[in-house]
Amino acid sequence: QSVLTQPPSLSGAPGQRVTISCTGTTSNLGTGSDVHWYQHLPGTAPKLLIYRNSNRPSGVPDRFSGSKSGTSASLVITGLQAEDEAVYYCQSYDNYLSGVFGGGTKLTVL
Amino acid sequence: QEQLVQSGAEVKKPGASVKVSCKTSGYSFTGYFIHWVRQAPGQGLEWMGWISPQSGGTQIAPKFQGRFTMTRDTSLSTAYLDINNLRSDDTAVYYCAKVSTLVATAVDRWGQGTLVTVSP
Repeated sequence: QSVLTQPPSLSGAPGQRVTISCTGTTSNLGTGSDVHWYQHLPGTAPKLLIYRNSNRPSGVPDRFSGSKSGTSASLVITGLQAEDEAVYYCQSYDNYLSGVFGGGTKLTVL
Repeated sequence: QEQLVQSGAEVKKPGASVKVSCKTSGYSFTGYFIHWVRQAPGQGLEWMGWISPQSGGTQIAPKFQGRFTMTRDTSLSTAYLDINNLRSDDTAVYYCAKVSTLVATAVDRWGQGTLVTVSP
């Protein structure tokens, strides 16, 4: 059971918008810790998608956006594309400075 | 460019030990923490801890305290993960990852992963 809660799976048609939620507690997201998001394709290493709640590293399309409020965070993907099919993880820290991941959300593009 | 190259897959028996290496290049090894992340078969990512290559100091998640040790060799720009008294539920892919230059609490360069299989 992961410390941060994500929906196990989501799906959407090409061109649609999907939102992946990440719910924590007062011991992690509620402490003000930043949330980061990773995209994990099978057989590859995870890729940093969003850092510090809402920032995109260079090269990440602006179809990906993030936000955080209190003990929850969200990753929004607009204009869904087939290549977006992957597992998405949120990540933060708890009040003991231990890293925590969400359980991952498998996104299927229909 | 920044690279993290991990050692190859291992097959071990329960009770044995294994050492996974993570050789880095393309950046200042002592300038950025190295994190270790585990992914068991069919499961999600699990944060194990980090090591400061400069000081050797570590922060290991409570679940991994005891049998798991993180070390480094600055002369080789290499980080290591030692696992003792292996159990079947240690079977997983182990990743090393370097903290991002953008924010120190995220990682943005990963090794390719090392599969450790524990089987009688």
